[in-house]
Amino acid sequence: GAVVSQHPSWVICKSGTSVKIECRSLDFQATTMFWYRQFPKQSLMLMATSNEGSKATYEQGVEKDKFLINHASLTLSTLTVTSAHPEDSSFYICSARETGGWSASYGYTFGSGTRLTVV
Amino acid sequence: SQELEQSPQSLIVQEGKNLTINCTSSKTLYGLYWYKQKYGEGLIFLMMLQKGGEEKSHEKITAKLDEKKQQSSLHITASQPSHAGIYLCGADGSGNTGKLIFGQGTTLQVKP
Repeated sequence: GAVVSQHPSWVICKSGTSVKIECRSLDFQATTMFWYRQFPKQSLMLMATSNEGSKATYEQGVEKDKFLINHASLTLSTLTVTSAHPEDSSFYICSARETGGWSASYGYTFGSGTRLTVV
Repeated sequence: SQELEQSPQSLIVQEGKNLTINCTSSKTLYGLYWYKQKYGEGLIFLMMLQKGGEEKSHEKITAKLDEKKQQSSLHITASQPSHAGIYLCGADGSGNTGKLIFGQGTTLQVKP
C-alpha cells in the first residue's frame, strides 16, 4: 500500500523560532496533501489542504501566515510553524491522496505525525 | 457542517470479550472511514464503507454502515491486547475530497 513519511517525529523548539515539518509520499504521487492538528486526547482537526504548484487552502480559524505550507513537488509538502509559541505545541499529522486514483482498500494514507513542543 | 459523534468515548474490556464502537453522523455519509491510532502516532487505515448496508471484515474487526448512511459501527470479536488504541471514524464531508472530518475517538483498553 501507499506510504507517507513524516519528519521529524518529534521536535522541541524555543518560543519565537520556526519549525519545518516534512510530509513525503514515498511510492506514489500526491497532488493533494492535508495537514491536521491533534491536541492531547482530542480528535484530529483539519488545518489546511496543500496543493502541488499552487497556494494552500486553509480551514476557517487557521492563520495562514503562521502555518506556512509549501507543496513544491508531487511527493513533498512542508508545514512551517513560524514564530512558534507554547500554544502551538501539538501533534501535527499529514495525509496524502494519490494523484489520479483513490483506493477504497487503502483510504487516505497518513504520516506518523510530528509532536511539536514549544518551550 | 457535518459532525461525527462516537460512542463510547472510552472502553475497558477483558481480553476475549466482544465490543462495539458506534459513529453517528449529522448528515448522510458519502464515505465512512475507520482508523486506529496509538496515542501520539499515525493513523492506521482499517476500513472504508460507502454503500448503505455495506459490511466489511478484516480479521476480527467488522464495520457496518446502516442503510440510511448516517451511522456506522465497528465490532471487535474476541478482543486482544493488540486491539488497544484509539479508534477514529472519519467522513469525507464533501465527497471524495480527502478532507476528513473525524469523530472525537474511542479509547479502547483490553485487560489481559
